[in-house]
Amino acid sequence: DAGITQSPRHKVTETGTPVTLRCHQTENHRYMYWYRQDPGHGLRLIHYSYGVKDTDKGEVSDGYSVSRSKTEDFLLTLESATSSQTSVYFCAISRGGEGSYNEQFFGPGTRLTVL
Amino acid sequence: QKEVEQNSGPLSVPEGAIASLNCTYSDRGSQSFFWYRQYSGKSPELIMFIYSNGDKEDGRFTAQLNKASQYVSLLIRDSQPSDSATYLCAVETSGGYNKLIFGAGTRLAVHP
Repeated sequence: DAGITQSPRHKVTETGTPVTLRCHQTENHRYMYWYRQDPGHGLRLIHYSYGVKDTDKGEVSDGYSVSRSKTEDFLLTLESATSSQTSVYFCAISRGGEGSYNEQFFGPGTRLTVL
Repeated sequence: QKEVEQNSGPLSVPEGAIASLNCTYSDRGSQSFFWYRQYSGKSPELIMFIYSNGDKEDGRFTAQLNKASQYVSLLIRDSQPSDSATYLCAVETSGGYNKLIFGAGTRLAVHP
C-alpha cells in the first residue's frame, strides 16, 4: 500500500462547527488531492495541491479550504460544517514527473457525519 | 463540462464467466485512463491503467482503449466471487496537474 494515512477515520460533528481533516504521506509525492464520495456521484475533486503552498480548487470547492505547509501533509478544512458535507472523504497522491503515468493512490478515507 | 460515463449496474455474472465493464469519456485531449476497484467501505485501489490504443493485459484483467470512439473497457476473465466490487473508470484531464475525472462506477456481482 502507498504510505498514505488519514485522520480522523471517523468523525461526527454538529452543523456550524469547523472541522479539519488531515492527510499524511510518506512517499514524497508532489501532487495531493482531496475528494468526496457520495452515492450516485462517484468521486468528486474538492481541492488539489501541486507543491508546498501551491493549491487550487476542484469542482466542488465551496465551503472547503486547504493548506499544504509541508510536502507530506495536506489539510482539508470545513469552515462551518453543514449537513450537505456529510460524506466520505478520500485523500490521494500522485508522483508526477518522468516515468510516471499520473496514477493516483488513495488513503483509507474519513467518514464525516454532520448532524 | 468534462464527463466520464459508466453503467451503474449491477452487472451480474456467474463465476468463471467474463465480466465486461464499459466507460465513455468526453475530453478528447485525455491521454491516460485508469480502472480502480472499490470494495464496500474501502478506498479505491488501482488495478489497471492504459494510455495507448488497443489492449493491455495483466493477469485476468484486460483494459481496452479506443480514443477515436472515446471508449475504455475492462474485461475480467474467469470472474471470481472476490471480484464482486464497484469498478471506477478514471480519465486524466487535459488540464494538467495529474487530475482525474471519475465515473460513478459499475457494481459487479459475481455469483457462484
